[in-house]
Amino acid sequence: IAGITQAPTSQILAAGRRMTLRCTQDMRHNAMYWYRQDLGLGLRLIHYSNTAGTTGKGEVPDGYSVSRANTDDFPLTLASAVPSQTSVYFCASSDSGLNTGELFFGEGSRLTVL
Amino acid sequence: GQNIDQPTEMTATEGAIVQINCTYQTSGFNGLFWYQQHAGEAPTFLSYNVLDGLEEKGRFSSFLSRSKGYSYLLLKELQMKDSASYLCAVMDSNYQLIWGAGTKLIIKP
Repeated sequence: IAGITQAPTSQILAAGRRMTLRCTQDMRHNAMYWYRQDLGLGLRLIHYSNTAGTTGKGEVPDGYSVSRANTDDFPLTLASAVPSQTSVYFCASSDSGLNTGELFFGEGSRLTVL
Repeated sequence: GQNIDQPTEMTATEGAIVQINCTYQTSGFNGLFWYQQHAGEAPTFLSYNVLDGLEEKGRFSSFLSRSKGYSYLLLKELQMKDSASYLCAVMDSNYQLIWGAGTKLIIKP
């Protein structure tokens, strides 16, 4: 049982470089989310998708983009990385949207931008 | 603004009971969630409260008072494996999840 798979698990990146974090789920969940987690702060929503073909902006979307071409995949792209994007990134999914409650998280991608 | 408050860190003894509090101020309320996150791992779902009262699930219980904007997570018969961060999150009127910064729980033998 895979659940949600994120790649890479860890990456060091030079500022200005483009980076895509991959996220794949095998639970056929409609909704998917990208969060960043920083020390001393709660999880912050970057982008979300309620269903394949649709995406929306979360609390901190600037500098990030997403796509949802199919149910399973939800990649997050940093077009031109900056040091403030150093963080742990979590992809998550849920069945039928947020109002069902439970989110299933991937293991996280630790990104360092120098 | 919307705000979730929980203690930064707590310490408890193996076998004891600990209560982790969470207070919130949000634009509307559609439920409160508790997640557990071990260091370096993903958060995992523990509980969901939408009505006032206590929800019990094994060694873990979660309480909600909507009028007070208050919840707690109660952990009984503490085990070393309970050492983790506990995240409180509230779903607001737009069905957006607002997350607290988490409470790091340290269990000592």
